[in-house]
Amino acid sequence: AQSVTQLGSHVSVSEGALVLLRCNYSSSVPPYLFWYVQYPNQGLQLLLKYTTGATLVKGINGFEAEFKKSETSFHLTKPSAHMSDAAEYFCAVRGGGGNKLTFGTGTQLKVEL
Amino acid sequence: SQTIHQWPATLVQPVGSPLSLECTVEGTSNPNLYWYRQAAGRGLQLLFYSVGIGQISSEVPQNLSASRPQDRQFILSSKKLLLSDSGFYLCAWKMNTEAFFGQGTRLTVV
Repeated sequence: AQSVTQLGSHVSVSEGALVLLRCNYSSSVPPYLFWYVQYPNQGLQLLLKYTTGATLVKGINGFEAEFKKSETSFHLTKPSAHMSDAAEYFCAVRGGGGNKLTFGTGTQLKVEL
Repeated sequence: SQTIHQWPATLVQPVGSPLSLECTVEGTSNPNLYWYRQAAGRGLQLLFYSVGIGQISSEVPQNLSASRPQDRQFILSSKKLLLSDSGFYLCAWKMNTEAFFGQGTRLTVV
């Protein structure tokens, strides 16, 4: 079985500051890992994904994440936050019958002036 | 290109009334389809998934059911809604390694 833990349900940063959203996973098989962003009352949009290969993954809107097997982590970062980054972010791991995605509980990112 | 349609966008229903949410996918065949629910302050919970017509797997016991009458159509239903059924419902389909989501339905049971 797979599981995902997102530390911090709410994160607040200043505009221009580093964004760090934490994600740890548990998987009995080599994981596929994902970060999604959700704006209010909308569906989820894929930010980036790790499947195989390079462990540092770059996504849209300047976000990136690094797969660290030894730490079972897949933290999401962005060097400089923008007001438009305010949204809810979900980490997910893929596995199980039907190739299900298991999501974390989400982190609400607030960007302040 | 592939697209996913989900409707309605918002819905307010009284307790005890029936429910039908529809999701359709265009531009692909035999997709894996999923229904997720997002309750206030909680993450996304997988409710049902389907790997083909008439094939439904339920992840959690609940007041809801799902059906897949056609290859690219996935329906979420209830005979009698409960207050606890309120939430944001998302349909998704999987292509290769990633999932694509519909715009969601905000269901409020009153």
